[in-house]
Amino acid sequence: YELTQPPSVSVSPGQTARISCSGDALAKQHAFWYQQKPGQAPVLIMYKDSARLSGVPERFSGSSSGTTVTLTISGVQAEDEADYYCQSTDASGTYVVFGGGSKLTVL
Amino acid sequence: QLQLQESGPGLVKPPETLSLTCSVSGGSISSSDYYWGWIRQPPGKGLEWIATVWPSGSAYFNPSLKSRITTSVDTSKSQFSLRLDSVTAADTAIYYCARHPHGTLRYFDLWGRGTLVTVSS
Repeated sequence: YELTQPPSVSVSPGQTARISCSGDALAKQHAFWYQQKPGQAPVLIMYKDSARLSGVPERFSGSSSGTTVTLTISGVQAEDEADYYCQSTDASGTYVVFGGGSKLTVL
Repeated sequence: QLQLQESGPGLVKPPETLSLTCSVSGGSISSSDYYWGWIRQPPGKGLEWIATVWPSGSAYFNPSLKSRITTSVDTSKSQFSLRLDSVTAADTAIYYCARHPHGTLRYFDLWGRGTLVTVSS
């Protein structure tokens, strides 16, 4: 089972970045998003497709439609430059799967 | 505040066994509120889930690694451990331990800093 993300997304400061994550099981299972900055461990930023974790800026939002979930960062800031990983499970809800990750570059 | 810390040898020779321990501080590993997990990340690559363990010691594993994995939990030491047998260079990665909230949803809400394990002769 796989989750597919674009390898890279580039935006200028202040613009909107959208990072997609696709997989058949996403029609039944929730997705979670992690942010990983260089040399650091991943940090959970989005829960159950669209619930922002405490302390995560409001410019981060999540949505789900069918077999695709999307992480949207509105008004991107330089500090948002990082790798972003979606995560879900197989259709049975048992086995954890990560997407390949998307590197967000702030131009 | 709960913290997780991975420990183990930084270098393992093929085809030996990789052994790692995660020490949990600032909270109880035996709490019914949480499970515990292992995730790895090869240098410059993405994340791969390895295993999730219950405080009781029950566990479920990534099917692609299942035949080589053993896990354990020592509640008296507030530690849980991972053993990966017959390692190859492909097992070179940063290994993370993480906390997994109890329930039907599968995700990790708190991670250790990770430890790099290199497999090389």
